[in-house]
Amino acid sequence: AQSVSQHNHHVILSEAASLELGCNYSYGGTVNLFWYVQYPGQHLQLLLKYFSGDPLVKGIKGFEAEFIKSKFSFNLRKPSVQWSDTAEYFCAVNGYSGTYKYIFGTGTRLKVLA
Amino acid sequence: NAGVTQTPKFRILKIGQSMTLQCTQDMNHNYMYWYRQDPGMGLKLIYYSVGAGITDKGEVPNGYNVSRSTTEDFPLRLELAAPSQTSVYFCASSYGAGVEETQYFGPGTRLLVL
Repeated sequence: AQSVSQHNHHVILSEAASLELGCNYSYGGTVNLFWYVQYPGQHLQLLLKYFSGDPLVKGIKGFEAEFIKSKFSFNLRKPSVQWSDTAEYFCAVNGYSGTYKYIFGTGTRLKVLA
Repeated sequence: NAGVTQTPKFRILKIGQSMTLQCTQDMNHNYMYWYRQDPGMGLKLIYYSVGAGITDKGEVPNGYNVSRSTTEDFPLRLELAAPSQTSVYFCASSYGAGVEETQYFGPGTRLLVL
């Protein structure tokens, strides 16, 4: 069955620490990969996406993600987090495998301490 | 552009009552979606639509109905509210699917069924 797993449900970091949030997916066929972010009190917005080409994708606010096909992973990274990065982060996968699917992970709540 | 708008922002329903959650987008997007977000569960797709007059079930459609009479509007109907439908509901839209499928989200409707 198609699925998206985010193994870290809650992450607490100090400012300037490095961040890596894991995302693994199970999906047959070609996929497109996304990271969305939901800041407190705001609605979800796209952070970055991967469709093809360079597996290292750069998004807004200094975030990047690397697609590793052999590991079915699309981990999100940021070298130095800021207090304003406190948010919930969702990995998502879409593709067509008989029927349409757009699947979100369960989310990772990141809290950055000032 | 207002983007994706949702009304109401918050609603309390009694068991067995019905209501319609409104969703409108002004980006001329073909695709529209309804999700529910429950704590620790991520986003689950309820219904989606690929254009006016065309709707299809997502992962958790039971207890809900949708219609898409225009490109702009995609209302979600709860006929007999149940406590299990207590959730935050997000509407989203995208221009297309696959490479065009960056989803733009509304601010959400928080629903409490007592």
